[in-house]
Amino acid sequence: AQRVTQPEKLLSVFKGAPVELKCNYSYSGSPELFWYVQYSRQRLQLLLRHISRESIKGFTADLNKGETSFHLKKPFAQEEDSAMYYCALRRDDKIIFGKGTRLHILP
Amino acid sequence: EAGVAQSPRYKIIEKRQSVAFWCNPISGHATLYWYQQILGQGPKLLIQFQNNGVVDDSQLPKDRFSAERLKGVDSTLKIQPAKLEDSAVYLCASSWGDRAYEQYFGPGTRLTVT
Repeated sequence: AQRVTQPEKLLSVFKGAPVELKCNYSYSGSPELFWYVQYSRQRLQLLLRHISRESIKGFTADLNKGETSFHLKKPFAQEEDSAMYYCALRRDDKIIFGKGTRLHILP
Repeated sequence: EAGVAQSPRYKIIEKRQSVAFWCNPISGHATLYWYQQILGQGPKLLIQFQNNGVVDDSQLPKDRFSAERLKGVDSTLKIQPAKLEDSAVYLCASSWGDRAYEQYFGPGTRLTVT
């Protein structure tokens, strides 16, 4: 079954330190993976897609098919990065979300 | 452009009562989704519409949940009767027909069943 696993419920990182939010997936086929973000009192929104291979707000994510992972990384955390982050997998025309990781940036 | 609108934002009901949620998607978006997000979990798709037709309702508890999208625009999601385990945030999202990944989410309706 297709599944997305985010092993950390909460990740606390000091400002300026590197961030890595973990995501593992199970999918039979060529996966399409995404990261969504929800800032406090804001709506859930798309952060980035693995296909576009872009950096958004300093975040990048590389699809590692060997390890079935799609970890989200940022070299230097900023306070405004505090939010809920959801890893997601596309199956047909549907998105399957992980349970999310709350990123807390410490001053 | 105006975003996805949902109402009400909050609702508290007793178990066995009925409740309805409304969603107005972004103009021109053919696809509309209803998600249930239980505390501590990611959003779970309940039903997906393409215009006014149902694409997927495999995870909709049809004995108590129903949804419609008349005229392919607004949508309503109803729960009748509600159970305690229905307490959750109900999210509506919409997208262009072939861009399921680029869903625009509404603010959600927080339902508490007591």
